[in-house]
Amino acid sequence: DAGVIQSPRHEVTEMGQEVTLRCKPISGHNSLFWYRQTMMRGLELLIYFNNNVPIDDSGMPEDRFSAKMPNASFSTLKIQPSEPRDSAVYFCASSFQPGQSHTEAFFGQGTRLTVV
Amino acid sequence: AQKITQTQPGMFVQEKEAVTLDCTYDTSDPSYGLFWYKQPSSGEMIFLIYQGSYDQQNATEGRYSLNFQKARKSANLVISASQLGDSAMYFCAMRDDAGGGKLIFGQGTELSVKP
Repeated sequence: DAGVIQSPRHEVTEMGQEVTLRCKPISGHNSLFWYRQTMMRGLELLIYFNNNVPIDDSGMPEDRFSAKMPNASFSTLKIQPSEPRDSAVYFCASSFQPGQSHTEAFFGQGTRLTVV
Repeated sequence: AQKITQTQPGMFVQEKEAVTLDCTYDTSDPSYGLFWYKQPSSGEMIFLIYQGSYDQQNATEGRYSLNFQKARKSANLVISASQLGDSAMYFCAMRDDAGGGKLIFGQGTELSVKP
């Protein structure tokens, strides 16, 4: 398996622009997580899905952030409009749901977002 | 509510010695999982070891072992025979089995291995 695939790896955008981050989870996994990592806040859980359904989006910082999972093999995280304080590394991770074997999450390589 | 605490922002260890990284957690769910991840300077998140709340024995994976003390709600990572390549950030994480399995992380401990 190729692992969790995120794109793009790096994104530089101007303030006010829309940004879309993409994630392909490991085939067969039914939980998907989006995290944001910064020096100040560490690794924050933004939202997670089970079976393509959002379970908890309480970590999404504000309405400018939205996430979708239209099918089991694809998810997006969108920021519109972007702001400089959104600059961070965004990770996607996937796993099996609780109750199914071990539930460790496997991470993608991350997307380094810079908003100027 | 779930909570994970790593109280050591940074640790130093001499090469070939053992080191313990601390992690405490809080949850009201009797069924949960505990995890440790390594993040080297290159940035990827690497899964190291898993401990289930009902597991009777401490988990081990090669040079990694998890010292699980359920009553104290601690899940410390022990790395034996440290190597220079062990220098990295280490994150403790917890996942409650109830409520859909929210996975949260501690603030991390930066480990530096000295030659």
